[in-house]
Amino acid sequence: DAGITQSPRYKITETGRQVTLMCHQTWSHSYMFWYRQDLGHGLRLIYYSAAADITDKGEVPDGYVVSRSKTENFPLTLESATRSQTSVYFCASCVGDSPLHFGNGTRLTVT
Amino acid sequence: GENVEQHPSTLSVQEGDSAVIKCTYSDSASNYFPWYKQELGKRPQLIIDIRSNVGEKKDQRIAVTLNKTAKHFSLHITETQPEDSAVYFCAASNRRTGNQFYFGTGTSLTVIP
Repeated sequence: DAGITQSPRYKITETGRQVTLMCHQTWSHSYMFWYRQDLGHGLRLIYYSAAADITDKGEVPDGYVVSRSKTENFPLTLESATRSQTSVYFCASCVGDSPLHFGNGTRLTVT
Repeated sequence: GENVEQHPSTLSVQEGDSAVIKCTYSDSASNYFPWYKQELGKRPQLIIDIRSNVGEKKDQRIAVTLNKTAKHFSLHITETQPEDSAVYFCAASNRRTGNQFYFGTGTSLTVIP
């Protein structure tokens, strides 16, 4: 469904470059999340946000920066990409007691 | 924070047999336990969930059980079909504080025709 969209779907970047992954949701969900998915580790929480201008660290926040100036957008920035950040990144959202809904993911390769 | 463990990491069953995936959690304050199915190259999608005030929930061939005392919950798939082949993730969350979801490491289920 188109309620939560991520861009780009695929990204290749070089070590040391800054890269931003975009996430946009049309449901007005208050909570938004960024997860990374790696084989053997499942889905690990990077950052989350309970509302606009409120963000907090998850399990693996080092090397990442987020912002949430508007409820519908939650971009994730890798300030200086490293090979260990090669992963599939999922944005997700929910509100109140609703289930967590995921975007289609961004496959990031750092060379 | 919460720690969710999931077993087994891989599971193969014959078509028509049942499959069981088990998860344990560490934080007794967790009160919501969803299960997600992820097909290759796709996003995780919710298949069933259970809240801490319920011991069992069923939806057609899928059921989830929760034992709060032992802090474990399980996914049961009966009459498995080849289209059930996917990676399944369990998760735990405290819906009253923070809404953070913590996931298990996943189970790759293969249903052999």
